[in-house]
Amino acid sequence: AQSVTQLGSHVSVSEGALVLLRCNYSSSVPPYLFWYVQYPNQGLQLLLKYTSAATLVKGINGFEAEFKKSETSFHLTKPSAHMSDAAEYFCAVSDKGIQGAQKLVFGQGTRLTINP
Amino acid sequence: DTGVSQDPRHKITKRGQNVTFRCDPISEHNRLYWYRQTLGQGPEFLTYFQNEAQLEKSRLLSDRFSAERPKGSFSTLEIQRTEQGDSAMYLCASSTPVQGVTGELFFGEGSRLTVL
Repeated sequence: AQSVTQLGSHVSVSEGALVLLRCNYSSSVPPYLFWYVQYPNQGLQLLLKYTSAATLVKGINGFEAEFKKSETSFHLTKPSAHMSDAAEYFCAVSDKGIQGAQKLVFGQGTRLTINP
Repeated sequence: DTGVSQDPRHKITKRGQNVTFRCDPISEHNRLYWYRQTLGQGPEFLTYFQNEAQLEKSRLLSDRFSAERPKGSFSTLEIQRTEQGDSAMYLCASSTPVQGVTGELFFGEGSRLTVL
């Protein structure tokens, strides 16, 4: 089964600083990878996805992620943090279910705090 | 564009009571998923429907849990004889078959259950 590991349950950066959230995956097949963001008491919103096209994926709100097969990583970055980026971020990998449909397997999440 | 809708958003109940959550997916989405998210954790897969057929259930879905999607549109998740360990956010998500190829999901805002 596919899985993801998010390194660091809590990341704190200053406003304007680089954001780097780490995700490593385990997959026996070429993976589909996702980053979702969750604001307090809300559902998950898709930030970006890797589906075997370009290895550098651009998403919403200035975020991007690079798929590195040799490192089995899919780290999320943003050059300059904004206060509104404070949220919980989840990395996910697609896993084929019993009936062949894909379902998402999520990491434990990384809480991003932005300091003024 | 209406997204995935969940009701109620919050439910507080006493241990031993039954609760039911409803999910209305995006109208053209034939795939519907339920996930559970406990505090500080990533969402965990519970079950999946394609149209009205329930195609996969997680081992997390004990016999106190039942999910239905009678006409292939909205879905309900019922928990019987609730326990304190059932306290969590219950997330519904949907997708089209094309999106389902990669596993991309669209999430609702969740139904938060507190069992006293």
